[in-house]
Amino acid sequence: AQTVTQSQPEMSVQEAETVTLSCTYDTSESDYYLFWYKQPPSRQMILVIRQEAYKQQNATENRFSVNFQKAAKSFSLKISDSQLGDAAMYFCAYRSARGNEKLTFGTGTRLTIIP
Amino acid sequence: EPEVTQTPSHQVTQMGQEVILRCVPISNHLYFYWYRQILGQKVEFLVSFYNNEISEKSEIFDDQFSVERPDGSNFTLKIRSTKLEDSAMYFCASSDYLGQGEAVGYGYTFGSGTRLTVV
Repeated sequence: AQTVTQSQPEMSVQEAETVTLSCTYDTSESDYYLFWYKQPPSRQMILVIRQEAYKQQNATENRFSVNFQKAAKSFSLKISDSQLGDAAMYFCAYRSARGNEKLTFGTGTRLTIIP
Repeated sequence: EPEVTQTPSHQVTQMGQEVILRCVPISNHLYFYWYRQILGQKVEFLVSFYNNEISEKSEIFDDQFSVERPDGSNFTLKIRSTKLEDSAMYFCASSDYLGQGEAVGYGYTFGSGTRLTVV
């Protein structure tokens, strides 16, 4: 079974600075997808960014980018130019590429933005 | 942008009562899911549904739970006899085909959740 580990329960960053959230996972599969979801106080799950394991290029979405290290099974999220609206819980998630499988989530990192 | 709609947003029920949580997935999606998040904890998979039947369920999804797609648009989660520990946020999600290669679909869309409180 796949597992996802987020070792930072809480992180904080000064507004306009850069922060990196860590995620590692364990799988025996070679083809899969990785995701970062944001959960603001409203508790909605919002997709931030995703990465296909077969792609070597790291995904980027505006201020959000990932560092995907397949051999190390690491998938960190970098938020540049942090904004107050980035404050939320961030969940890393794994999904097998076999069919349309479930998401396996990490325990989350609570990100606080310091004005 | 298409949305997954969940109703109600908040439900309070007495222990032992039955509840039905409703979801309207995105219309051309084929795969449907329920997830649960107990306050302060991670999001956990409950069940996936495809072609009018359960395709996978977790150990949380015991005989107290059932899912149904009664009319081709709604997707419901029923908890037969609620317990205090069923208090959680319940998320519905839907997905189109998440294939491989450049034609890969965008995948999951989550609803905004139903907060279930069992008293």
